[in-house]
Amino acid sequence: DIQMTQSPSSLSASVGDRLTIACQASQGISNCLNWYQQKPGKPPKLLISDASNLEPGVPSRFSGSGSGTDFTFTISNLQPEDIATYYCQQCANLPLTFGPGTKLDLQ
Amino acid sequence: QLVQSGAEVKKPGASVKVSCKASGYSFTSYPMHWVRQAPGQSLEWMGWINGGNGNTRLSQKFQGRVALTRDTSASTAYMELSSLRSDDTAVYYCARPIFNDAFDIWGQGTMVTVSS
Repeated sequence: DIQMTQSPSSLSASVGDRLTIACQASQGISNCLNWYQQKPGKPPKLLISDASNLEPGVPSRFSGSGSGTDFTFTISNLQPEDIATYYCQQCANLPLTFGPGTKLDLQ
Repeated sequence: QLVQSGAEVKKPGASVKVSCKASGYSFTSYPMHWVRQAPGQSLEWMGWINGGNGNTRLSQKFQGRVALTRDTSASTAYMELSSLRSDDTAVYYCARPIFNDAFDIWGQGTMVTVSS
């Protein structure tokens, strides 16, 4: 199975900040990497597919990059509604696997 | 959208069957995946069922304990988990993928609590 790691596990930031979350796969996955946002009591929401493709309706302050084993997810100009937990997910091999999550809160 | 059945409380050793009714798209044109999330934990993929032909693929972790079925006439997918243990306590989600198994539509989740 492909193991996914994320760093940091938690992050405190202020409105307007730019922040980056890292995701690493235990083996190369090309660009088969998706990012989700999850708020308490809700299902995850797909933000980015194929490492860098922003889903329709998702604000452009969200972006993703990377290929192979190392990926990054960036929020520029953090907004209060962005407070959530963020997960990466590899789609290269079954079983599909998710990272442990990065919990974002306001400083 | 995907609408799941309600919360369940089960005793260890019992089985639970969760339903997921799809609407607004062609049920047989997409697979349906199942993902679970234990309290305070990350997401864990369980398996998928082909909405058209009913073929399934399960995570090795769940083989022998999970059955995925579907009723095309009702546009509904089912996940049955047997021999429940306390560590099966989790929210169970169904999710529809777009290309590359990116899940763009999720059910609201079904809380399954296993407790004696």
